[in-house]
Amino acid sequence: AQSVTQPDIHITVSEGASLELRCNYSYGATPYLFWYVQSPGQGLQLLLKYFSGDTLVQGIKGFEAEFKRSQSSFNLRKPSVHWSDAAEYFCAVGANEKLTFGTGTRLTIIP
Amino acid sequence: DAGITQSPRHKVTETGTPVTLRCHQTENHRYMYWYRQDPGHGLRLIHYSYGVKDTDKGEVSDGYSVSRSKTEDFLLTLESATSSQTSVYFCALARSQNNEQFFGPGTRLTVL
Repeated sequence: AQSVTQPDIHITVSEGASLELRCNYSYGATPYLFWYVQSPGQGLQLLLKYFSGDTLVQGIKGFEAEFKRSQSSFNLRKPSVHWSDAAEYFCAVGANEKLTFGTGTRLTIIP
Repeated sequence: DAGITQSPRHKVTETGTPVTLRCHQTENHRYMYWYRQDPGHGLRLIHYSYGVKDTDKGEVSDGYSVSRSKTEDFLLTLESATSSQTSVYFCALARSQNNEQFFGPGTRLTVL
């Protein structure tokens, strides 16, 4: 069965600083990988996805993620965060018509 | 936007009562899912459906049942609600077999 680990429960960054959120997965075959964002009181919004091909994928809101098979990782990055990026971020791995989610990373932005 | 609505959006009920949550879609997506979200656990799959009358269990299915009698509606039932089922429940749709899912706005359920 697949699993996802997000090792950082909470991250605080200054507005304008760069961001990297970590995600490690466990799955025996080539995974489908996703990042979702959830603002307080809202549902989940898809940021980006990786199915195959180029290992650097671009998403919405200026986010990107890089798939590294050798490290079983799919880290999310943004070069310069905005106050509106404050939210919770979930990494997920897809297999057998189901998604398995990590426990999430809460991002706080300070002025 | 996949056109997903959930009802009710908020509900408070008492232990031992039955509760049904509804997920409705306006598009003809084959796959529908029910998750619960709890602090420290992320989202956990309760049940899912891969077609009308075709459903399967997820990782936290105990105490829940589902039904899908038509493509657009996926119902989640708590036969006898318990306080441990206090949670936020999300419905999701998959437009393809590649597991990309789109989520509804959620239902906050409180069991007293």
